Amino acid sequence: AQKVTQAQTEISVVEKEDVTLDCVYETRDTTYYLFWYKQPPSGELVFLIRRNSFDEQNEISGRYSWNFQKSTSSFNFTITASQVVDSAVYFCALSEARGAGSARQLTFGSGTQLTVLP
Amino acid sequence: SQTIHQWPATLVQPVGSPLSLECTVEGTSNPNLYWYRQAAGRGLQLLFYSVGIGQISSEVPQNLSASRPQDRQFILSSKKLLLSDSGFYLCAWSGAWGVNQPQHFGDGTRLSIL
Repeated sequence: AQKVTQAQTEISVVEKEDVTLDCVYETRDTTYYLFWYKQPPSGELVFLIRRNSFDEQNEISGRYSWNFQKSTSSFNFTITASQVVDSAVYFCALSEARGAGSARQLTFGSGTQLTVLP
Repeated sequence: SQTIHQWPATLVQPVGSPLSLECTVEGTSNPNLYWYRQAAGRGLQLLFYSVGIGQISSEVPQNLSASRPQDRQFILSSKKLLLSDSGFYLCAWSGAWGVNQPQHFGDGTRLSIL
């Protein structure tokens, strides 16, 4: 069975600190996709990034960076120079292929509540 | 561009009452559609997904049902709500083209059962 573990339930940092959110996954599929979503206090989930299992190149987007390591089944997310607006719950998710058509079902981790203090 | 609308934003219902939550997508055709539930302080649980009109797959047995009467409309229903149905319900869509398109979520409905 597919599983995503976000061991950090809550993290608090002071503004401008760097913070890394951990994500460890389990899957038997050789092809899979990993995602990160942000859920601010307003509730909607915002898609941040998708990474496929064949691409281990790290990615940077502004203050966000992602470190995908297949050897340790991890897909960690780092926010550099954190800001108060980064405060949110962050979810890591894994996609699997099941059922008809091209629907891909996401297995979500339990989320990490990040609080950035001014 | 594609947009997803979900309503109502907030709903308070008594135990035993019926439920109907609606979700519509604009700007795309034949999307994959999903209903999730998020209990307070917990992760997301997939309830239903649909790859086409009238095609519904259920992930979790419960007193909820889903329907897709039109290509871009997804409805979550219940005939009799339970206290355990309280939570935050999210609708999402993904493109049916290619593989592993990211899911895009609506703003959610906060459902409280009294």
